[in-house]
Amino acid sequence: EVQLVQSGAEVKKPGESLKISCKGSGYSFTSYWIGWVRQMPGKGLEWMGIIYPGDSDTRYSPSFQGQVTISADKSISTAYLQWSSLKASDTAMYYCARRGMTLPDYWGQGTLVTVSS
Amino acid sequence: QSALTQPASVSGSPGQSITISCTGTSSDVGGYNYVSWYQQHPGKAPKLMIYEVSNRPSGVPDRFSGSKSGNTASLTISGLQAEDEADYYCSSYTSSSTPYVFGTGTKVTVL
Repeated sequence: EVQLVQSGAEVKKPGESLKISCKGSGYSFTSYWIGWVRQMPGKGLEWMGIIYPGDSDTRYSPSFQGQVTISADKSISTAYLQWSSLKASDTAMYYCARRGMTLPDYWGQGTLVTVSS
Repeated sequence: QSALTQPASVSGSPGQSITISCTGTSSDVGGYNYVSWYQQHPGKAPKLMIYEVSNRPSGVPDRFSGSKSGNTASLTISGLQAEDEADYYCSSYTSSSTPYVFGTGTKVTVL
């Protein structure tokens, strides 16, 4: 069974750094792209970026380029999304999703990030 | 890359059929048969309901169906049930620098 399990909810202050994770199981982790999707409170889905764990090829949405860093450790089947300096506007639910043939098929349960002073 | 356009809300009574549209361009919806639909209940992760325009993953009820004409894809829910009340998002492969794009989302209400 394909599963993506994300790390738990985080509460941070503006300016702090953060790295959240997404662990894949039940499939060949290095053979599928993993994407990150933001959902701000009460809003829709926004694609942030995507990584191919097999060779760490990474692409970013222009809206998120330079704002976040996506990485992966294939030895432990885990993808990451990180911020160096959080802002209040980063408060959102973040999902990882495996990209099937072309589009997301399996999703993680989500990680809620709250940034507040 | 702009989001695909969906109606903000659609409603129907139990047993009725509803259709949600998803309009893009020839660079995404119209150019490829790679359109997916996702159902999202409040506080839950999105769930794949339709892939490659009209295919249902195992376990998705056959009252959910998808189609496409030109730059517009559609999701039809036949025999609407209370548990179908949720937000629905389309997504399409795109030829732009981003590999895929999401729709704006549609809230389905079962009256």
